[in-house]
Amino acid sequence: GQQVMQIPQYQHVQEGEDFTTYCNSSTTLSNIQWYKQRPGGHPVFLIQLVKSGEVKKQKRLTFQFGEAKKNSSLHITATQTTDVGTYFCAGPAWTSGSRLTFGEGTQLTVNP
Amino acid sequence: DTEVTQTPKHLVMGMTNKKSLKCEQHMGHRAMYWYKQKAKKPPELMFVYSYEKLSINESVPSRFSPECPNSSLLNLHLHALQPEDSALYLCASSQQGASWSGNTIYFGEGSWLTVV
Repeated sequence: GQQVMQIPQYQHVQEGEDFTTYCNSSTTLSNIQWYKQRPGGHPVFLIQLVKSGEVKKQKRLTFQFGEAKKNSSLHITATQTTDVGTYFCAGPAWTSGSRLTFGEGTQLTVNP
Repeated sequence: DTEVTQTPKHLVMGMTNKKSLKCEQHMGHRAMYWYKQKAKKPPELMFVYSYEKLSINESVPSRFSPECPNSSLLNLHLHALQPEDSALYLCASSQQGASWSGNTIYFGEGSWLTVV
C-alpha cells in the first residue's frame, strides 16, 4: 500500500533559525496537504498543493510540491516560538479518494 | 476556532461501560470522519461517512460503532473497550463526498479517551 515518509522526526532550533521538513510518497499523489498540530491540540489544515512543481507561500512558510508529485517540503524562515508543533504531510493516492495517508510528522521545538 | 464540535472533551470509562462520542458540523460538509490518534503518531483513519452513508470502515473492531443520524451529526458508540484503545479521537469533515481526492480535512478538537 501507499507509504508516506517524513523526515526528520524531530527538529530543535533556536528562535530565528530556519527549519525544513521533507515528505516522500511511495506513489504519485493527486495532491499533498500539510497540517500543523500544536502540543495538546488537534491537526489544523495549512495548505494544499495540486500542481506538479507548485510553490506556495504563507508569510514565513514556503511549501513545494515535486515535479513527479511524489515529494514535498515545508520550509519555515526565521522560526518563532509560535511555530512549535508537529507538522504532518498527507496525501491521497489517485484512486483512494479522501483516504489520506499521513506522514509520521516532524516535531519542531523552538528555543527562545 | 474549529467549526467541528466534539463532546465530551475528556472521557474516562471502564472496560464494561458503554459510552458515546459526539460530533457536529454546520458547514454543510458532505463527508464526516472518525480518526484515532495515539501520542506522537499521525491520525489513523477509522470510519468515513459520505452523504450520510458509511463508505469506509478501516477494519475497526466491532467494539467501535459509528452512527450518522443526519448530515450534521456523527457519533461513535463505545462498548467493552480495552486500555489500549485510550487515545485522542478526532472527528473531521470535508466539503465534498469522500470519493473526491481534492478534499481537505477539517478536524475537531478531539475527545481524549482513557479506558481503565
